[in-house]
Amino acid sequence: GAVVSQHPSRVICKSGTSVKIECRSLDFQATTMFWYRQFPKKSLMLMATSNEGSKATYEQGVEKDKFLINHASLTLSTLTVTSAHPEDSSFYICSAIRGTSGAYEQYFGPGTRLTVT
Amino acid sequence: KQEVTQIPAALSVPEGENLVLNCSFTDSAIYNLQWFRQDPGKGLTSLLLIQSSQREQTSGRLNASLDKSSGRSTLYIAASQPGDSATYLCAVTGANSKLTFGKGITLSVRP
Repeated sequence: GAVVSQHPSRVICKSGTSVKIECRSLDFQATTMFWYRQFPKKSLMLMATSNEGSKATYEQGVEKDKFLINHASLTLSTLTVTSAHPEDSSFYICSAIRGTSGAYEQYFGPGTRLTVT
Repeated sequence: KQEVTQIPAALSVPEGENLVLNCSFTDSAIYNLQWFRQDPGKGLTSLLLIQSSQREQTSGRLNASLDKSSGRSTLYIAASQPGDSATYLCAVTGANSKLTFGKGITLSVRP
């Protein structure tokens, strides 16, 4: 099976600071990675689609200057929450696929719990 | 815009019971449908993936069916166990490989 890791698993930061979350595909090359956000008792909300070597595509309502996404290699994508505020506290999950077609299965990371105090 | 609905939001059953979780979606133009399991505070575990050309998939005590034309899927769990207690999420893959998730069904299996 395909393995996707995320680091850190948990992070607590002060309001106004920036936090970087890493998403890695450990045993395959991920042409495309996705970033999701999940609020308590809510479904996962797609934030952005990240393609290696190009700019991320953000979903409507997601601030690209606040949630910086970089997909510099075929195995690593990063999400940086800039100037974090308490309302950014959430569970962030990434996923990765081998290709770009929708027929490919998405493999999910274990998630990162962000708490902004 | 694709919408995925899972009803009820929560379900409690006694151990050993066979149960069916339902999922419906509004746009039948999908690549595939996936069922996931999520334990509290944890990430997603993929249970079954059904491609749009398939009707069902089986893994152990789990069986998922897909009726694309009617926009429905079911996840059948046989002989439920307390360890099956979790939230079960249904998601469909549409254009640009984007997954749309339902809100999930929180299952509790009582010993």
